[in-house]
Amino acid sequence: GQNIDQPTEMTATEGAIVQINCTYQTSGFNGLFWYQQHAGEAPTFLSYNVLDGLEEKGRFSSFLSRSKGYSYLLLKELQMKDSASYLCAVTDSNYQLIWGAGTKLIIKP
Amino acid sequence: DGGITQSPKYLFRKEGQNVTLSCEQNLNHDAMYWYRQDPGQGLRLIYYSQIVNDFQKGDIAEGYSVSREKKESFPLTVTSAQKNPTAFYLCASSIGRETDTQYFGPGTRLTVL
Repeated sequence: GQNIDQPTEMTATEGAIVQINCTYQTSGFNGLFWYQQHAGEAPTFLSYNVLDGLEEKGRFSSFLSRSKGYSYLLLKELQMKDSASYLCAVTDSNYQLIWGAGTKLIIKP
Repeated sequence: DGGITQSPKYLFRKEGQNVTLSCEQNLNHDAMYWYRQDPGQGLRLIYYSQIVNDFQKGDIAEGYSVSREKKESFPLTVTSAQKNPTAFYLCASSIGRETDTQYFGPGTRLTVL
């Protein structure tokens, strides 16, 4: 079966750095997405990785290793507004998005 | 202002009633999707459409129906056959199914009383 694993919940301190991991086992791979979702709201797109390596976008970076079936989202200089769930999703060989359950990130002052 | 709209934001329904959730986009996207989100689970695909007048079942289509008569619109009907309809429903669209980032509407929270 297809599976995406993320930690259920993480806690970090304002101003710090946090890394949210995602591992996947899917039938084929055509890219990995990270989305941010505030409680009760729609997911919003953060990043897309299809090749190995690090993609940096402001305070957020995303890393991919296809051989290891592994990605992480790195958030720097954490702000209170970063408190949200972070969803990892993988496009499989049929171009269907498979979603992880999300990681709830709690930022403390 | 381009985007995806869903209405209503909150919806209450009595058991045994059908209800239709609206989704409209003015992004000129070809592909549209309906997802269901339950606590502690990933998004699950209900239906998707890549082109007008065509749609495909997703992983959990039973008890749901859709139509795609216009490019901009992809309404979802939750029928009385859906056993556990209380959930957060999200509509999304993308330029074309095979590549692209999906953009989401604000969602509709359906509660069955």
